[in-house]
Amino acid sequence: DAKTTQPPSMDCAEGRAANLPCNHSTISGNEYVYWYRQIHSQGPQYIIHGLKNNETNEMASLIITEDRKSSTLILPHATLRDTAVYYCIVQKRPKGGSEKLVFGKGTKLTVNP
Amino acid sequence: DAGVTQSPTHLIKTRGQQVTLRCSPKSGHDTVSWYQQALGQGPQFIFQYYEEEERQRGNFPDRFSGHQFPNYSSELNVNALLLGDSALYLCASSFRGTSDYNEQFFGPGTRLTVL
Repeated sequence: DAKTTQPPSMDCAEGRAANLPCNHSTISGNEYVYWYRQIHSQGPQYIIHGLKNNETNEMASLIITEDRKSSTLILPHATLRDTAVYYCIVQKRPKGGSEKLVFGKGTKLTVNP
Repeated sequence: DAGVTQSPTHLIKTRGQQVTLRCSPKSGHDTVSWYQQALGQGPQFIFQYYEEEERQRGNFPDRFSGHQFPNYSSELNVNALLLGDSALYLCASSFRGTSDYNEQFFGPGTRLTVL
C-alpha cells in the first residue's frame, strides 16, 4: 500500500472551512484514497473515499489532483465537534473482501471557537 | 442498530497474564478486524476474521490469537502479557461483499493496561 504524508496538526476557526492536505505521490492506478477520523476516546469513523474524481457527501468533500499524487479533505463549515485526528489512507481495491487499513499518525485538527 | 460493540471498556492486567477481549459486529456484517492503538499512534492491524477463519494477519506475534463465532462475533486473546501490550484495542466490522470500497465500522475500543 502506498504511503501518505500529512501535517501533524492544523487549526481552524469554527464556521470556517477546514482543508486537510495529504500527499500520496507513490499511489498506484488501482488504489483508492480513504479518509477516516478519530474523535478523542472513540474508534475511527469513515468519512469519504475516492479514486480520481472529486467526491462529496454529507460530511465532507474530497478533492484529488489530476495526477492523483495528493488530495485535500474539506470540511466546509467546521464545528467544535470536528476536532479529531484525521487519517488519510491509500488502499488498493478490495478483491471481494475487506482489506486491512494501514493508518499513519494523521493530522490533529483543532477547531477553535 | 447498536453498531459495533466491545467489552469490556477497560481492563487492568499484570505481566504474564492472559486476556480476552470481545466484539460484536454491526448488524449485517460478516467480517471482523482487530487493531491495536498505542498512545499517540494510529491503529495497527492485528488480524481479520471471516467465516470463522483468520484471513489476514499483521506483524504481531503468536501471543495474539483470535476466534470468530457462527454469529460473526469475535474474540481477541493475548497470552503472556507484556507492558508493551498496553493499548486501546479496536474492533472493526465490515461486509465482505462485492462493494468496491472498504468502509469499516469501528467500536469504541477496549483500553488494556498491563502493570
